[in-house]
Amino acid sequence: GNSVTQMEGPVTLSEEAFLTINCTYTATGYPSLFWYVQYPGEGLQLLLKATKADDKGSNKGFEATYRKETTSFHLEKGSVQVSDSAVYFCALGSGTYKYIFGTGTRLKVLA
Amino acid sequence: DGGITQSPKYLFRKEGQNVTLSCEQNLNHDAMYWYRQDPGQGLRLIYYSQIVNDFQKGDIAEGYSVSREKKESFPLTVTSAQKNPTAFYLCASRGRREGSSYNEQFFGPGTRLTVL
Repeated sequence: GNSVTQMEGPVTLSEEAFLTINCTYTATGYPSLFWYVQYPGEGLQLLLKATKADDKGSNKGFEATYRKETTSFHLEKGSVQVSDSAVYFCALGSGTYKYIFGTGTRLKVLA
Repeated sequence: DGGITQSPKYLFRKEGQNVTLSCEQNLNHDAMYWYRQDPGQGLRLIYYSQIVNDFQKGDIAEGYSVSREKKESFPLTVTSAQKNPTAFYLCASRGRREGSSYNEQFFGPGTRLTVL
């Protein structure tokens, strides 16, 4: 079946450091891939998405490229800020009504 | 503004009591979902509904029940049969953002349920 695996946290970085959060997936067909962000005590917000191979999703300085050959969708940001501290979820949508989420990666950015 | 509302934000119940969590959306979306979130386990699907008067069990439906009598409402009942109900519950709907050609999920702010 479909699955999503993302790196375990927590990830602790200094402000302005480079961020990578790894995400790999297993799926049949051609899924859409998403990154969601969750701030403390809140629901999830869509951060970025990619709907086909080689697509690059980007938003708020975050980027992720849909790599079919490596079945990956790693999240990157060149310079993190304290306000980026949150939990990040990688997710997969396979065209059915069900979505598969990773376990989440907590990011803490220190000033 | 369009969106999803969940109420209450915090809910406390005694063990053995049923409790119903509210979820309302004014996005005109057909599909709605309930997820449970526990530390270190990500989101697990409880129930989902593709359309009014229809719903399907997700991965962890035991001890929960839902109804979908109206398009905008998808309440979740946590019954006394749920062995470990203390968790953060998230409701979501599925649809297209204005001007977009793809479907995505929109989440409510969540309800934290604590069973004492």
